[in-house]
Amino acid sequence: AQTVTQSQPEMSVQEAETVTLSCTYDTSENNYYLFWYKQPPSRQMILVIRQEAYKQQNATENRFSVNFQKAAKSFSLKISDSQLGDTAMYFCAFMRGLNRDDKIIFGKGTRLHILP
Amino acid sequence: SQTIHQWPATLVQPVGSPLSLECTVEGTSNPNLYWYRQAAGRGLQLLFYSVGIGQISSEVPQNLSASRPQDRQFILSSKKLLLSDSGFYLCAWSHPGDRYSPLHFGNGTRLTVT
Repeated sequence: AQTVTQSQPEMSVQEAETVTLSCTYDTSENNYYLFWYKQPPSRQMILVIRQEAYKQQNATENRFSVNFQKAAKSFSLKISDSQLGDTAMYFCAFMRGLNRDDKIIFGKGTRLHILP
Repeated sequence: SQTIHQWPATLVQPVGSPLSLECTVEGTSNPNLYWYRQAAGRGLQLLFYSVGIGQISSEVPQNLSASRPQDRQFILSSKKLLLSDSGFYLCAWSHPGDRYSPLHFGNGTRLTVT
């Protein structure tokens, strides 16, 4: 069974700093998809970034980028020039992607505080 | 554009009472539908998912059940709530034909069982 592990339950950084959230996963599959979701205090779940396992190039969305290390089964999220609005719970997620009924499995999350 | 509606936003129910949470999706056909529960310190736990009308898969054995009476309607139910059912419940949908499709979440229901 696939598992997703986020080893940092909580982190705090100063505004404008760069922060990296770690995520590791366990799977025997070769083709799959990885996601980072953000849940701000409003509790609305928002997709931050996604990565297809067969793509070697790391995904980037403005200030958000990932470091995808397939062999190490690692998928970390880097937030550059952090802003107060980045304060949120961040979830790493995995989806096998072979069949229609493949589910997205989430890690337990990392609570990120951006300090003024 | 697609939208997802989930209600109620907040619910306080006594132990032993029934539960019905509803979720509807607009602007898409035959979506994959999901119910997640978020308990403090436990992340998101997948409860049920559905790939079509009447097709429900359960991930966690419990006193909850789910139904999909219409293509874009997903209902989470319980006949008798337990204290441990308290939590934040999220409905979500994804495109069935897009393997890369992320989940689109509703605004959630905070359930407190007293």
